[in-house]
Amino acid sequence: QKEVEQNSGPLSVPEGAIASLNCTYSDRGSQSFFWYRQYSGKSPELIMFIYSNGDKEDGRFTAQLNKASQYVSLLIRDSQPSDSATYLCAVSSGGGADGLTFGKGTHLIIQP
Amino acid sequence: DVKVTQSSRYLVKRTGEKVFLECVQDMDHENMFWYRQDPGLGLRLIYFSYDVKMKEKGDIPEGYSVSREKKERFSLILESASTNQTSMYLCASSAPLTADQETQYFGPGTRLLVL
Repeated sequence: QKEVEQNSGPLSVPEGAIASLNCTYSDRGSQSFFWYRQYSGKSPELIMFIYSNGDKEDGRFTAQLNKASQYVSLLIRDSQPSDSATYLCAVSSGGGADGLTFGKGTHLIIQP
Repeated sequence: DVKVTQSSRYLVKRTGEKVFLECVQDMDHENMFWYRQDPGLGLRLIYFSYDVKMKEKGDIPEGYSVSREKKERFSLILESASTNQTSMYLCASSAPLTADQETQYFGPGTRLLVL
């Protein structure tokens, strides 16, 4: 059974600070890794994807992947109150065209 | 922009009823998915489809079936609704990110209450 683990939080971060969200996965065959953001009552929206070891930056977001440690993280720089949401880590073993396995999400609160 | 639509935002059904949830995508994607999302359990894959008339079981297919007669439309069917199927149901369509990587874009969701 593939598993994706996330700390459920809530994770409280002051406005302007760096928010760090972590995720571990059990399936060593996993190839693609995704971060989704979900506001309350809304559907998940993709914010980052990564499939090679190392860092990938997109604006204020940086995804980090360490396949040897089976660890994925998301950094949000200059956190804003609008970043307050639940962040879902998702993993695919088939390049993303098969179903994704999701973690239960981390609830992030940015304090003004 | 990828657009995935679901037929209803809210549904209330009675135990034993047959329930149809419909999903439509307008981007000619081959892959479509149904998930359910429950507090404390997260998102779980029910079924997915690679092409018309093709279907694959996900992690929790019991109590559900699917239909894909047209490429743009993927239906989830609850043959005999039960209270433990009360949930948020999310449809997704898969879009390519790179030559060999895809990800899923979600519809707005259908919140189903089974009484």
